[in-house]
Amino acid sequence: DAMVIQNPRYQVTQFGKPVTLSCSQTLNHNVMYWYQQKSSQAPKLLFHYYDKDFNNEADTPDNFQSRRPNTSFCFLDIRSPGLGDAAMYLCATSREQGSTDTQYFGPGTRLTVL
Amino acid sequence: AQKITQTQPGMFVQEKEAVTLDCTYDTSDPSYGLFWYKQPSSGEMIFLIYQGSYDQQNATEGRYSLNFQKARKSANLVISASQLGDSAMYFCAMREYQKGKLIFGQGTELSVKP
Repeated sequence: DAMVIQNPRYQVTQFGKPVTLSCSQTLNHNVMYWYQQKSSQAPKLLFHYYDKDFNNEADTPDNFQSRRPNTSFCFLDIRSPGLGDAAMYLCATSREQGSTDTQYFGPGTRLTVL
Repeated sequence: AQKITQTQPGMFVQEKEAVTLDCTYDTSDPSYGLFWYKQPSSGEMIFLIYQGSYDQQNATEGRYSLNFQKARKSANLVISASQLGDSAMYFCAMREYQKGKLIFGQGTELSVKP
């Protein structure tokens, strides 16, 4: 009974070749998040959706895009991956955006850029 | 300005002993939530425990308890009876009222010795 699912778990891409990471949830939560986590660092929020409303963090590079076609699915598109984009990408969900709402994370996708 | 501080980059504990992981935070918002997550080497962020700023009692979840000292702005995680499977990175995080973003500390790597 997985709640937040990410596919694939490991992704290898080439420098400059577009890549899409996917996330799905069975919790029916309103909010979905994408975090980037580089080695030995804390996760960094890239953007989030509240329902269909997209919220981009100010320092998220334009190279990163996201789509949420329905409540259950959210995608992270990296248009032209650079070596510096190699990282763990974590998807999370929460029921609402309040301070009491727990974010539940998926298992992550580890991206390698060759 | 860093809002979550974890001053212990690494900790060792003997199996079956208790361990305290430190976390201090900074916010001017009276309404906030504090969270602890465990991240094993596999990469998944596992939610452990939550404490709300208005909660009168310290949160407990099985072997995990949160030592919440509001005046000191600290939210230390206590793990009782450590197990080998507790070896992981532990992140303290804060969420302010009506802000989607989780702010993470830098993490503490816990190693449990047999």
